[in-house]
Amino acid sequence: DTGVSQNPRHKITKRGQNVTFRCDPISEHNRLYWYRQTLGQGPEFLTYFQNEAQLEKSRLLSDRFSAERPKGSFSTLEIQRTEQGDSAMYLCASSTAGAEAFFGQGTRLTVV
Amino acid sequence: AQSVTQLGSHVSVSEGALVLLRCNYSSSVPPYLFWYVQYPNQGLQLLLKYTSAATLVKGINGFEAEFKKSETSFHLTKPSAHMSDAAEYFCAVSPISGGTSYGKLTFGQGTILTVHP
Repeated sequence: DTGVSQNPRHKITKRGQNVTFRCDPISEHNRLYWYRQTLGQGPEFLTYFQNEAQLEKSRLLSDRFSAERPKGSFSTLEIQRTEQGDSAMYLCASSTAGAEAFFGQGTRLTVV
Repeated sequence: AQSVTQLGSHVSVSEGALVLLRCNYSSSVPPYLFWYVQYPNQGLQLLLKYTSAATLVKGINGFEAEFKKSETSFHLTKPSAHMSDAAEYFCAVSPISGGTSYGKLTFGQGTILTVHP
C-alpha cells in the first residue's frame, strides 16, 4: 500500500464552477477525515466518515460543500459554486480505530 | 473546546544546535497530543504522539516531546538540528473519548523551522 492518495494534486478553477476531489485511503482503514488548510494556518477539520457513514461535519462545511464515501472505501469532496475564499489545500487522512491518522499529500485548489 | 497555541511562528537555528518548538494546549481533560511535520506542498507526517502513557515521548528523526500537565505544555525538542529538519511543524490535540480519537485533530498555527549551515 502506498498510503493515502489524493487526486488531483492541483486544481485551478474559475469562480462559480464546481470541483470534485478524490481521496483513496489506506485500504484497511475504516475512518476517513477531510481537512482544509489555508496559507499560514494549521489544518482545520471538515468532516469524518466511519465506513460509509458521515458521522460529523464542522460548521466550516457550508451547504456548498458535500462529501461522500459511498462504499466505505474512497471518498469525494465536492465544492459547488466555488468562491475565492475556497482557495486552500484540502487534506484527507485515514485511520483505524485507536491508531493515528495518516495524511495524503493534499489537493491544492486555486479559485480565480 | 480544545485549542492549541504554538509560540513562535518562525524559529531559526544553526545546524547542530538544539531545536525547541513550543506548544501549549487548552483542554478540560488531558487530551491526546501530537506533533506533525509538513514539507512544502506535502501532507503531514506524524513525528510523535502522547496517549496517556509515558510523559516523555520519543519520535522519529531524533525528536522527542515531554507532556507537562501542570504547564499544559507539549514542547518538541531535538538535541542537534540537521538541515533536513527545515520544515513546518504542527502541534495538535484530539479528544480521548469518542470514536474520533487520533483522527479529529485541532491543530496549532504551525512553526516554520529554518536551519542555517
